[in-house]
Amino acid sequence: DGGITQSPKYLFRKEGQNVTLSCEQNLNHDAMYWYRQDPGQGLRLIYYSQIVNDFQKGDIAEGYSVSREKKESFPLTVTSAQKNPTAFYLCASSIDRPGGRDTQYFGPGTRLTVL
Amino acid sequence: RKEVEQDPGPFNVPEGATVAFNCTYSNSASQSFFWYRQDCRKEPKLLMSVYSSGNEDGRFTAQLNRASQYISLLIRDSKLSDSATYLCVVNIFRASNEGSQGNLIFGKGTKLSVKP
Repeated sequence: DGGITQSPKYLFRKEGQNVTLSCEQNLNHDAMYWYRQDPGQGLRLIYYSQIVNDFQKGDIAEGYSVSREKKESFPLTVTSAQKNPTAFYLCASSIDRPGGRDTQYFGPGTRLTVL
Repeated sequence: RKEVEQDPGPFNVPEGATVAFNCTYSNSASQSFFWYRQDCRKEPKLLMSVYSSGNEDGRFTAQLNRASQYISLLIRDSKLSDSATYLCVVNIFRASNEGSQGNLIFGKGTKLSVKP
């Protein structure tokens, strides 16, 4: 089946620890995205990548890092520098034409809780 | 003006009712418009794209008004299963070092609750 997978579904972290969230897609999409969603809030863009080995900061990149070594994979690391990391993290992908005009398809999300 | 703005609701309607949501956007250069549906604690899923001429998919009708910069979603004959949060999504162009960069911007969503 084609789609986007994220793991783990739930993640608990102690303060001061870095954690990495996995995102894999087999849709052959060029573009991938990471969002965070807080209760009652919209999705906010953390990072995005339009091509392998290239990525750009979104609106709230501080305290996060990403890599794009393979087209299929776009892991997100939440570092200890992120002051309020508890949130629902969503990964998405799209075919990607210039201007961000393509439909984005989402993975099931990872719910991160800092203890 | 916010880039993408929606009435958060909640809209509480009885089964069978017709309900409409509006969403306004700030960027007159926007070219792509979508409605997504998000169930509680789940990922957003594409409901429908919004085309200039308006489009319909079963009980759902989407319309675009470029002059007033808003899109709408009409749901007819509401079902209990329509209960969810509906997200308005628009591609917004922002100035960057490389020129103008477009990205999809998600509204905060409108919550719909359909009651028996």
